[in-house]
Amino acid sequence: EAGVVQSPRYKIIEKKQPVAFWCNPISGHNTLYWYRQNLGQGPELLIRYENEEAVDDSQLPKDRFSAERLKGVDSTLKIQPAELGDSAVYLCASSLNTQNTIYFGEGSWLTVV
Amino acid sequence: GNSVTQMEGPVTLSEEAFLTINCTYTATGYPSLFWYVQYPGEGLQLLLKATKADDKGSNKGFEATYRKETTSFHLEKGSVQVSDSAVYFCALRAQGAQKLVFGQGTRLTINP
Repeated sequence: EAGVVQSPRYKIIEKKQPVAFWCNPISGHNTLYWYRQNLGQGPELLIRYENEEAVDDSQLPKDRFSAERLKGVDSTLKIQPAELGDSAVYLCASSLNTQNTIYFGEGSWLTVV
Repeated sequence: GNSVTQMEGPVTLSEEAFLTINCTYTATGYPSLFWYVQYPGEGLQLLLKATKADDKGSNKGFEATYRKETTSFHLEKGSVQVSDSAVYFCALRAQGAQKLVFGQGTRLTINP
């Protein structure tokens, strides 16, 4: 069974440019998460979806970050415009429902220069 | 609020040494506790978990026991291998909550 798939794996952009990350969760998983992991730290939740509904986006910086999960399957996380402090690993994860094990993708490594 | 504190790294051991990585937590009620591992260039993988007090999670020779009285979930392995070199994250999911709260991670290096 395929795991959580993310793309791109690596991205280098100049500040003020836009960037988007894509995530395909494990088939049948209703809950999808986006986490951000800064260097040397643990991941922190940005947003959680139940099917197509964003049910927890309290930690998402809404002035420059946006996310969507159309049709309740794939999801896209966008940053516009990017800032130097956005350099991090963006992790997508999914679970069957909110009480089941959470599975993570390999992450998208963003460097803003 | 809910939080997880791990022992600071990096930790460097010789092969076949005994490993302990300390983890303590702060949470109300009875959280579920997890250890995730991140091998170089890979994503986070669930290593083991425990969902109630005194439960012991185990996998790949690693063990951790949920200690409510000391709010701890220390990771142990009796004999480490070079292939265990990775970053280890302790995490909790608070009772009734849906998200994981992670510690800062502990980088482990095993030398042959």
